[in-house]
Amino acid sequence: QKEVEQNSGPLSVPEGAIASLNCTYSDRGSQSFFWYRQYSGKSPELIMFIYSNGDKEDGRFTAQLNKASQYVSLLIRDSQPSDSATYLCAVNIRNQGGKLIFGQGTELSVKP
Amino acid sequence: DVKVTQSSRYLVKRTGEKVFLECVQDMDHENMFWYRQDPGLGLRLIYFSYDVKMKEKGDIPEGYSVSREKKERFSLILESASTNQTSMYLCASSQGGPETQYFGPGTRLLVL
Repeated sequence: QKEVEQNSGPLSVPEGAIASLNCTYSDRGSQSFFWYRQYSGKSPELIMFIYSNGDKEDGRFTAQLNKASQYVSLLIRDSQPSDSATYLCAVNIRNQGGKLIFGQGTELSVKP
Repeated sequence: DVKVTQSSRYLVKRTGEKVFLECVQDMDHENMFWYRQDPGLGLRLIYFSYDVKMKEKGDIPEGYSVSREKKERFSLILESASTNQTSMYLCASSQGGPETQYFGPGTRLLVL
């Protein structure tokens, strides 16, 4: 079992819809969770991180964490074509410093 | 803004060559990382460093070595390049926790 798993997609949503991206992780020692966005040919950029159970909102983005279910998600409201990218989920495990473990990424396509 | 630069955007090398990939960050970050990214596999950590002259193996260190002689510079070395090392190589740096991890633009390496 991979440590961090994401559906590779592609996930296609119409413009203005809510895009829901999901990620599961296997290590219960995971303590912080990150979502990166990566445009084609570019490097990943951090868009959100979350430490505690529940929701964290930042503009059109909401990260949701459920440690009991070992599940983290990213919701993008009012999706725009400019949101079309690959979204990478990453996990930091307790006592492993700044090391991140990444999922394989989910490709999102927002259709006008 | 944090800036992480990598010496080359594209590189073509022959099998058996020794290859140096250079990464420089300008924000006095303590932590530096080398990843490779391959389709369907996501980002995988090769090596990381929390201080000058210090290095730790990541998840896939075989065939690679690193050097950190100065705080701002972290070099990845392919001692004898092989075709299975054709990949996108991404350098990152952070200060403290991974919520401050920034990526460089990447080096796309082709080994023939």
